[in-house]
Amino acid sequence: EIVMTQSPGTLSVSPGERATLSCRASQSVSSTLAWYQQKPAQAPRLLIYGASTRATGIPARFSGSGSGTEFTLTISSLQSEDFAVYYCQQYYNWPLTFGGGTKVEIK
Amino acid sequence: EVQLLESGGGLVQRGESLRISCASPGLILSNYAMNWLRQAPGKGLEWVSGISGSGDDTYYADSVKGRFTISRDNSRNTVYLQMNSLRAEDTAVYYCATRSNAFNMWGQGTMVTVSS
Repeated sequence: EIVMTQSPGTLSVSPGERATLSCRASQSVSSTLAWYQQKPAQAPRLLIYGASTRATGIPARFSGSGSGTEFTLTISSLQSEDFAVYYCQQYYNWPLTFGGGTKVEIK
Repeated sequence: EVQLLESGGGLVQRGESLRISCASPGLILSNYAMNWLRQAPGKGLEWVSGISGSGDDTYYADSVKGRFTISRDNSRNTVYLQMNSLRAEDTAVYYCATRSNAFNMWGQGTMVTVSS
């Protein structure tokens, strides 16, 4: 099983600032990496797939990068609606696995 | 707009069974590989099971293998998760989701609570 590790666990950011979230895979997953956003009492929403491709309707302030074992999600200028928990997930092989999440909170 | 609707969750005793369903008023689910995922209270996301569009191929997490069965009835536009021998650790919100590569569309979830 591929273990996904996210850091930090919590990120405190002021509105308008940049947020950088990290995700590491225990073995190479090539570019088969997705990012999701989840707000309280809501289902997750796909943000990024293929490590760097934004899903339909996702604002350009969200960007993903990386390949192999190291990945980054960047939110260029945090808006109030961006404070949430973010998960990375690999779909390189079964079982499909998620990181433990990074909570982005208001500083 | 809501594209996927889960139903059938509830409170059951340890060792009992439950079947949850996922339907869509607007999507033809046979066009999609479908998956079940879950989230225990206050915890992260866990993939549980997946099924191909035809239903020929199924996949399970080790934590549910042998106890849960995923199936689909394309004539009813519905996907099911039959859960047997339920344990306290199966308590979670269960989501269905479409999958092309990543999990593209998600339902709002149905809560399953296993009481010991």
